Amino acid sequence: GAVVSQHPSWVICKSGTSVKIECRSLDFQATTMFWYRQFPKQSLMLMATSNEGSKATYEQGVEKDKFLINHASLTLSTLTVTSAHPEDSSFYICSTLAPRGSTDTQYFGPGTRLTVL
Amino acid sequence: QKEVEQDPGPLSVPEGAIVSLNCTYSNSAFQYFMWYRQYSRKGPELLMYTYSSGNKEDGRFTAQVDKSSKYISLFIRDSQPSDSATYLCAMSEETSGSRLTFGEGTQLTVNP
Repeated sequence: GAVVSQHPSWVICKSGTSVKIECRSLDFQATTMFWYRQFPKQSLMLMATSNEGSKATYEQGVEKDKFLINHASLTLSTLTVTSAHPEDSSFYICSTLAPRGSTDTQYFGPGTRLTVL
Repeated sequence: QKEVEQDPGPLSVPEGAIVSLNCTYSNSAFQYFMWYRQYSRKGPELLMYTYSSGNKEDGRFTAQVDKSSKYISLFIRDSQPSDSATYLCAMSEETSGSRLTFGEGTQLTVNP
């Protein structure tokens, strides 16, 4: 399957600052990447779908001005949490869409744990 | 009501036991069904995916889908301590790679 990396693996920041999280597809050119958020003991919630060269599609209830997504190349998508607040503390996970057999499948990165003080 | 319901557990079994994990769903448009394994503080890892109803086997893992009952299962045979993780079911309408809806996840512990 596809190999996906994220950087950083964890970050602590002060309230009001911005944090950028990188998602890289290491062995596959990913036209589509997904960003998820996972709160403790809860499931993954899709935040947005990122398409290379075009604007991201955000899920209902996700503020696009707060969670800026840039998918400038086929191997890199970034999520910037702007003016972070403690309630933004969560586990952020990206995934890429890659072929598996006769269909496409999402392969997930290791996640980035964000703590906002 | 959640689109996908999954008992969060925790579930604790002895090594060698057969584990049964289940999800129910309400959206009849779901066609692709996946099971992911997630270790603590890690991203999910795809275990199995199934299209429509039926069974699929891969080593010690068997996935079953019953679309008429809107019910899917994952069976783990000869469970090992290394199987201890959270298991997430996921579903999509279009393809196994499109927008996924996840269950809450079931936390499994296999005791040696």
